Amino acid sequence: DTGVSQNPRHKITKRGQNVTFRCDPISEHNRLYWYRQTLGQGPEFLTYFQNEAQLEKSRLLSDRFSAERPKGSFSTLEIQRTEQGDSAMYLCASSLKKNTGELFFGEGSRLTVL
Amino acid sequence: AQSVTQLGSHVSVSEGALVLLRCNYSSSVPPYLFWYVQYPNQGLQLLLKYTTGATLVKGINGFEAEFKKSETSFHLTKPSAHMSDAAEYFCAVSDTTGGTSYGKLTFGQGTILTVHP
Repeated sequence: DTGVSQNPRHKITKRGQNVTFRCDPISEHNRLYWYRQTLGQGPEFLTYFQNEAQLEKSRLLSDRFSAERPKGSFSTLEIQRTEQGDSAMYLCASSLKKNTGELFFGEGSRLTVL
Repeated sequence: AQSVTQLGSHVSVSEGALVLLRCNYSSSVPPYLFWYVQYPNQGLQLLLKYTTGATLVKGINGFEAEFKKSETSFHLTKPSAHMSDAAEYFCAVSDTTGGTSYGKLTFGQGTILTVHP
């Protein structure tokens, strides 16, 4: 039984570089979510997918951010031209379509932009 | 817009003492409410949830929470703290449309619980 898996767990990059995070959800879950968590704050919603369709994006998701879920299984979150303000923990979660809002979270990918 | 306020970013209790973590929310529609717990170096995991029905809900590890609509509160309690309860706790509210949620959660800022021997 595997939970939500995220890679890499830690990423240190220089300002201006591009980074990509991967999320593998629980296999039978067709909804996938990305959240961002900064120090001392709760997670903030970024975007979510139902199967391969991206159904909502937060205004927090600037045009430097792009998320995909090409085959309705794993998802990637890419940040282009990283800025120091992008430093955060990026959380992925998944759930069943018919759910009451219970999400299953991965351990997160921590990004540090120098 | 929905919001969640957790009163107290840090709560410290002695082992065996009552745990009370406070959460107030605002929502324009009937909310679904959640408490998640995050242990060090682990992902968030669901502690308990309120959707409909009984307003006192029980979760894992002896925690419970009561939905009080009149007070817009969903406080988390545990009668007797254990050392293993030390973690960060997040209250969250979910959008509901037609009585269902699609999983977009608004979280509070979190409360770090410390348990002293």
